[in-house]
Amino acid sequence: GDSVTQMEGPVTLSEEAFLTINCTYTATGYPSLFWYVQYPGEGLQLLLKATKADDKGSNKGFEATYRKETTSFHLEKGSVQVSDSAVYFCALRTSGTYKYIFGTGTRLKVLA
Amino acid sequence: DTAVSQTPKYLVTQMGNDKSIKCEQNLGHDTMYWYKQDSKKFLKIMFSYNNKELIINETVPNRFSPKSPDKAHLNLHINSLELGDSAVYFCASSHDRDLSGANVLTFGAGSRLTVL
Repeated sequence: GDSVTQMEGPVTLSEEAFLTINCTYTATGYPSLFWYVQYPGEGLQLLLKATKADDKGSNKGFEATYRKETTSFHLEKGSVQVSDSAVYFCALRTSGTYKYIFGTGTRLKVLA
Repeated sequence: DTAVSQTPKYLVTQMGNDKSIKCEQNLGHDTMYWYKQDSKKFLKIMFSYNNKELIINETVPNRFSPKSPDKAHLNLHINSLELGDSAVYFCASSHDRDLSGANVLTFGAGSRLTVL
């Protein structure tokens, strides 16, 4: 079945450091890919998405590119801030289905 | 105006009790979901309804029963609560008229259930 694999956390960075959170997927169909963010005590919010190969999703300085050849959707940010501390979830959904498949989440902690 | 709202936000109860969590969305979405998030932040789909019809029913104990009186509401009732039911329960919705994989899932703020 479809699945999403994320790098294990926690990831601890200093402010202004470069961030990469790896995400790879397996899917029988042609999925759309998403990154969601969960701040402490809150629900998940959509951060960015990409719906076809080579699409780049971006929001709030975060970017991820849909790489069909490597089945990956890695999240990157050039300079993290303390306020980026949260749990990040990679997810997919295949057209024609109702199910969203989430990765296990990666906790990011940014130190001042 | 909250898009997906859940009540209550916190729920503390004794083992063996029955409790309900309510969810409402004002986005005009067709599909609603219940997810369970454990202490390690792992998200597990429990149920989904599309226009009041049950479409996803994962391996969940029979003590959990969803009810969708209309497409804007999806409630979760839990009987005979157990310690292992302690978790954060998230309601979510998506706009699914075309079943496009690009449809975004919108989450509520969560309901933290603690069973003592």
